[in-house]
Amino acid sequence: EDKVVQSPLSLVVHEGDTVTLNCSYEVTNFRSLLWYKQEKKAPTFLFMLTSSGIEKKSGRLSSILDKKELFSILNITATQTGDSAIYLCAVDQTGANNLFFGTGTRLTVIP
Amino acid sequence: NAGVTQTPKFQVLKTGQSMTLQCAQDMNHEYMSWYRQDPGMGLRLIHYSVGAGITDQGEVPNGYNVSRSTTEDFPLRLLSAAPSQTSVYFCASRRPGPGETQYFGPGTRLLVL
Repeated sequence: EDKVVQSPLSLVVHEGDTVTLNCSYEVTNFRSLLWYKQEKKAPTFLFMLTSSGIEKKSGRLSSILDKKELFSILNITATQTGDSAIYLCAVDQTGANNLFFGTGTRLTVIP
Repeated sequence: NAGVTQTPKFQVLKTGQSMTLQCAQDMNHEYMSWYRQDPGMGLRLIHYSVGAGITDQGEVPNGYNVSRSTTEDFPLRLLSAAPSQTSVYFCASRRPGPGETQYFGPGTRLLVL
């Protein structure tokens, strides 16, 4: 059975801390892994990863994929209160019509 | 482009009532999907469509119907609402093929009493 597991389920940090969010997967016909940020409404796209070892970076956020060990991490450095959100990991599979989502990690950044 | 739009934003139903959640996209995306999001459960796929006239069941289809008469619209129908259907519903669309991300609507919060 395909699965995408995110850890931790929730995390509380202070502003300025660095956090690492984890996503492991066991799916057939893996094609890519995507990270989304969800604040109060719809998830918004962050990164798409298709190749191992190539870091994607956007400001204080970065992500990398390990296709051998079947996981990805999302790093956020110098966290700010605006980073508080649910971070969703999803897998795209060849031949599938939809993304397969993990349960998400709820990040809370306190001043 | 408005992207993916959903109506209503919030709805309260009584058990047994029916309603339709509307979803539309103006990006000419072939693929459209409905998800529900419950605490601790992530996003779960209800129904999806790969084009006008074609729909299929996702992970949690029971209690919901869909139709896709046009590329733009993908309504979700609850025929007889139950408290277990209290959730936040997201509609999404994307183009087929690798490297295509999924775009989400703003969500509909549904409360079934």
